[in-house]
Amino acid sequence: SAVISQKPSRDICQRGTSLTIQCQVDSQVTMMFWYRQQPGQSLTLIATANQGSEATYESGFVIDKFPISRPNLTFSTLTVSNMSPEDSSIYLCSTWTGGTDTQYFGPGTRLTVL
Amino acid sequence: GENVEQHPSTLSVQEGDSAVIKCTYSDSASNYFPWYKQELGKRPQLIIDIRSNVGEKKDQRIAVTLNKTAKHFSLHITETQPEDSAVYFCAARSFSGSARQLTFGSGTQLTVLP
Repeated sequence: SAVISQKPSRDICQRGTSLTIQCQVDSQVTMMFWYRQQPGQSLTLIATANQGSEATYESGFVIDKFPISRPNLTFSTLTVSNMSPEDSSIYLCSTWTGGTDTQYFGPGTRLTVL
Repeated sequence: GENVEQHPSTLSVQEGDSAVIKCTYSDSASNYFPWYKQELGKRPQLIIDIRSNVGEKKDQRIAVTLNKTAKHFSLHITETQPEDSAVYFCAARSFSGSARQLTFGSGTQLTVLP
């Protein structure tokens, strides 16, 4: 299994500011995924991050709003830029370990935008 | 892209009874169907999964069935216990370009009444 950690676990931010969320995996992985879970809702994929290439964004999500870095095979960051109250959500990173289909999730970052 | 529908959105059962949650998917190329349990404030945890070459899989009190022809799969929990109370998400894996990604259903809030 993969052990995934995220920082920060939660934050309260002001409108118009940006927050960078860090995701660390205990093993090298090819792909890392970033999801958003709005209050009481399901998980929506924001983007897929491959090491050494640009992230692939899903419909409705753009790089200017959610820039992603993937500097190595164990780490990724997601930035939520120019935040508004509508960005208040839980953001989760996810990956699977090589050779299996099982996808694991980090503990999530609970973001509240005032 | 893939679309996953999940029913019911809420389900209440008496302790000891069975619970069934159903999902349908749209992409006939999807080949992997996991189920996640998410307790309040926690990350989604995989509880069981099934691949498209298998019709049924069981793990103690939990079972999943898959009907590829009808494109639906179901989660069955027998002898429910209060600790089974949580939100359950089904998902289907499809391929987008070179990425494997999960599309989630909308979730089912299961309440087991003591």
